[in-house]
Amino acid sequence: EVKLLESGGDLVQPGGSLRLSCAASGFTFSGYAMSWVRQAPGKGLEWVSALSASGVATYYTDSVKGRFTISRDNSKNTLSLQMNSPRAEDTAVYYCARHMASGKWVFDLWGQGTLVTVSS
Amino acid sequence: EIVLTQSPGTLSLSPGEGASLSCRASQSISSTFLAWFQQKPGQAPRLLIYGASTRATGIPDRFSGGGSGTDFTLTISRLEPEDFAVYYCQHYRSSATFGQGTKVEIK
Repeated sequence: EVKLLESGGDLVQPGGSLRLSCAASGFTFSGYAMSWVRQAPGKGLEWVSALSASGVATYYTDSVKGRFTISRDNSKNTLSLQMNSPRAEDTAVYYCARHMASGKWVFDLWGQGTLVTVSS
Repeated sequence: EIVLTQSPGTLSLSPGEGASLSCRASQSISSTFLAWFQQKPGQAPRLLIYGASTRATGIPDRFSGGGSGTDFTLTISRLEPEDFAVYYCQHYRSSATFGQGTKVEIK
């Protein structure tokens, strides 16, 4: 079964740190670019960060640049998001999402999401 | 930065009726880079349409997409009970921007 499974969501204090993980299965993970997309409670979708299939090219939305780091381990079929200095506005469900095989930034496979709550 | 505005915010319809959802871009975009997603409560989004009009794998043909330039439309020909959900449009190229969503609710 083709699947993405996120983990690592938790309650974290502002200024702390948290690492999210996404385990991929059922497809050749190393052949696909990947993204993190988040959704604040009761709000819409917001793209956060993307990483090329090789792991060389990284992309971030402006609000997380310098605070979040996306990475992947193709030998372990895992995508990660290191969240440093989180803010209250980072509170959201974080989804990992697979880009289409063509490389286009269309997300054709999503995980079930993991909830991050930033609060003191 | 391209801003996508979806309308209406909420659409109240009955099963069997047709639905037309609008997505307007703040500047002209290539139809190659427009997608639609469906999201049900407590679930992850699901890709419906990409390239403005190409249905994703497994999507029923009652869903269709169209448009060009700044105006794009998602049409659901006859609403099934499982179609009541929130729908998002997305522009993509070397980044991704979503509209704010349209909720299709049961009248």
